[in-house]
Amino acid sequence: SQKIEQNSEALNIQEGKTATLTCNYTNYSPAYLQWYRQDPGRGPVFLLLIRENEKEKRKERLKVTFDTTLKQSLFHITASQPADSATYLCALALNTGGFKTIFGAGTRLFVKA
Amino acid sequence: EAGVVQSPRYKIIEKKQPVAFWCNPISGHNTLYWYLQNLGQGPELLIRYENEEAVDDSQLPKDRFSAERLKGVDSTLKIQPAELGDSAVYLCASSLRVADTQYFGPGTRLTVL
Repeated sequence: SQKIEQNSEALNIQEGKTATLTCNYTNYSPAYLQWYRQDPGRGPVFLLLIRENEKEKRKERLKVTFDTTLKQSLFHITASQPADSATYLCALALNTGGFKTIFGAGTRLFVKA
Repeated sequence: EAGVVQSPRYKIIEKKQPVAFWCNPISGHNTLYWYLQNLGQGPELLIRYENEEAVDDSQLPKDRFSAERLKGVDSTLKIQPAELGDSAVYLCASSLRVADTQYFGPGTRLTVL
């Protein structure tokens, strides 16, 4: 069966440390993968996109890696801050007979001061 | 630039009552999405419009849900009659074209009693 897995347990880290979130998928061949941030009571906000032929993408304190062999993406936040506390969603973009975006359930991140 | 606007933000109704949600996408965005998000889960696509045409409504429960996007701009999602299991957040998103970055509205939190 097809599925996307993100850590269901919340991730608690200390301010200043690097947060690493994992997105694993099975039986999909995504054209690209996106990461979104979602705060309570708000809609998801796009952060980064990485294509199937890219290994790594960076934006300020954010870094995403994409391994199509392992079917895994890692999302890193360096020098984390309490303001980074939110839920982070992984989304696969599929382009097989029509375009579709499939979201994971998200991982809740708490950064303690 | 205004983002995606949704109304109402919250709605509480009794089961078997009808309910409607409204979405105004970002100006110029041809593609509009309605998603359902349950607590602790990622958004799940209900319907996608390209201009005024519904191009993917495979996950829309058509016995009670309906949607329209007149003139290819604003959209309305309706549930009639609502059931207890429909309690969730209904998110609207838009993108310039399909496969482009999606911008989400704040969502409508529906509670069915």
